[in-house]
Formats: sequence, C-alpha cells, structure tokens
Amino acid sequence: AQSVAQPEDQVNVAEGNPLTVKCTYSVSGNPYLFWYVQYPNRGLQFLLKYITGDNLVKGSYGFEAEFNKSQTSFHLKKPSALVSDSALYFCAVRDRDTNAGKSTFGDGTTLTVKP
Amino acid sequence: GAGVSQSPSNKVTEKGKDVELRCDPISGHTALYWYRQRLGQGLEFLIYFQGNSAPDKSGLPSDRFSAERTGESVSTLTIQRTQQEDSAVYLCASSLSWLAGDIQYFGAGTRLSVL
Repeated sequence: AQSVAQPEDQVNVAEGNPLTVKCTYSVSGNPYLFWYVQYPNRGLQFLLKYITGDNLVKGSYGFEAEFNKSQTSFHLKKPSALVSDSALYFCAVRDRDTNAGKSTFGDGTTLTVKP
Repeated sequence: GAGVSQSPSNKVTEKGKDVELRCDPISGHTALYWYRQRLGQGLEFLIYFQGNSAPDKSGLPSDRFSAERTGESVSTLTIQRTQQEDSAVYLCASSLSWLAGDIQYFGAGTRLSVL
C-alpha cells in the first residue's frame, strides 16, 4: 500500500519570503515522488519529480524539492515566493519497485502568497 | 492534439441517469488514467490503462462505474444510475507509458453535478 500526507491544508506567505509545502509518503518499495500544481479552473500541471540520484530536485518556476529517505519526506520549496505562485499543490507517490502505474496523491495544500 | 482533452467540461444530470465522460489523450501516450476529485479533496485514483494490457480497475468505487479505451486513443468513463455522491470533477491524464517515473499530463476535467 502507498499513501501521501500533506499535513497543511493552507500555507500563507508574503511575497518575497521563502515558502515550504510539506509532504510525507509511505510506500512498501522505493518511491518515485512528484509535485503537481493546480491553478483555478485548470488541470494539474507537473512541477518536478524525484526518480533517483541527487536528493535535491529542481523544477519549473523556480521550485525545488528535497527527498529525505530517513524522514520519508519530499517538501516543496521556493526561495522567494511570487503572488502568481498562489495555487493548489499536490504531492504524489508511485512505488518504483512494483512498476505499478498507480499514483497516490495527497489531499493538496492551498498556497496563498500575499503582496 | 497538444494536450489532454476532456468533454464535456460540465455535466448536470438527474439522479438515476447514466453519464458518459470522454477523454482524448495526447497522441502517442500509451497510458491513460482517470481520477475523481471531490470538492476540497485530493485526487482519488479510479482506473488506468496501459496499451493492450488489462486495465487496473482497483480504484473504481462501485460496479456502477466502468471505463473503456479503444487501443491507445479515446477513453470513456461511464457512470450508471448516478447518485448525488458522484458529484465531483473527473480528471483524465495520460503519460508516455505506465512506467512509474513517467509524468502524467492532465486534462481540465469534467465537472459532474448530480441533482
């Protein structure tokens, strides 16, 4: 079984400040981890993924995420938030070892960046 | 097409009626996924198709739900005898393959309202 937890329903930050959106996961094998963003009235868009290798992954729009195996976390970060980053963010996990196509998504975190 | 296309974008139906939701994946993508997103909640996996292999139906919530896919093209999600709890946004995604590292590309969704 696999699961994802996004412990914060809402994250509020001021423009220009760093942001963190938290994600922890559980899989029986080794994980593939993803972050997607959903803007209002639009479908989900891929931000970044961790497959293997360097634990720090860089993605679109200046976002990055750090894979921490011991803490089973994959927190999304950005050094300086923009108002346009305001959206709903989803973390997702797949079990690499079973090669299953099934992804499990978290419940999402709403990020609000205030001017 | 350039992206995943879903139709209709909105569907209002009466309780007890059957509905069909359509998804056109990105050309060349062999894997196709259906998810359900209830208001304020995360994505709930429903079913995925990979080429000519048997689909993974493990997420379908009841036998009122079924899905078909013609080869590696269009897919239809059918909900029979709709209930009010079926009201949600139904999202379709496609990826190059079912491999766990592949990025999923999402459509804008079909918003289903059951009265």
